[in-house]
Amino acid sequence: EAQVTQNPRYLITVTGKKLTVTCSQNMNHEYMSWYRQDPGLGLRQIYYSMNVEVTDKGDVPEGYKVSRKEKRNFPLILESPSPNQTSLYFCASRAQTGSYGYTFGSGTRLTVV
Amino acid sequence: DQQVKQNSPSLSVQEGRISILNCDYTNSMFDYFLWYKKYPAEGPTFLISISSIKDKNEDGRFTVFLNKSAKHLSLHIVPSQPGDSAVYFCAASVNSGSRLTFGEGTQLTVNP
Repeated sequence: EAQVTQNPRYLITVTGKKLTVTCSQNMNHEYMSWYRQDPGLGLRQIYYSMNVEVTDKGDVPEGYKVSRKEKRNFPLILESPSPNQTSLYFCASRAQTGSYGYTFGSGTRLTVV
Repeated sequence: DQQVKQNSPSLSVQEGRISILNCDYTNSMFDYFLWYKKYPAEGPTFLISISSIKDKNEDGRFTVFLNKSAKHLSLHIVPSQPGDSAVYFCAASVNSGSRLTFGEGTQLTVNP
C-alpha cells in the first residue's frame, strides 16, 4: 500500500530534550515536506526537500532541522524543544511530475512541557 | 501575512443540498490550487486541484471554480453527504512547486 509513515503518533517530552520524528514513504517520491497544524492557522510548512541532500526552509523553520540522506526518509529533528512547538505535525510526499497533490502521513501529536 | 485565507471557520448544510466552500488568496504568483479534506486523527487527503489556465475543474460531486481576477476559488459539493463532514483546506503553489501554502480550514458539517 502506497503510504507515508510517521512515528511516533503521540509524544510528550520535556523542554530541551532533543527528539526526532521519523517519516518514510514507499512511493519513490522526490518531494517531501513537513507541516505543523495549529488551531486557526491551518497547516504551515516547516521544511521541504526536492530530492536527496536538497532541503530548504518553509514558512516556520525556526527550532527545527531536517535531513534527506535517502529518498524514502525525511526525519524532523527538534534539537531543543520548547512549549511553543507543541503542535500536530504532518509529513507529506509527492512526485516531481504528474499529480501535484501531496500524500500526507497520519500525523504526530507532540506536547512539550 | 496569510496569503491564503478561508474566512469561514465552519459551514453547516443539509444532506442533499449544495456545499460551497470559499478561499481567497493574495499572491498573484500562485498558479496551482488544491483542496484537501481532513478527518479527525487522519492526515489531509488530496481532493481536487485546478491550474490557473482553467476556471473550472470537475470530479464527480466535486467542482472547483477559479476566479483569477478576484483571486478567489471555491469548492462546490453536490449533493452533500454526511460522510463529507470534515475540515476542508485550500492550498496554493507557484509553478506547481514543492512549496504549498494552506488556508486556515473550514469545518463542514452535513446534517442528515
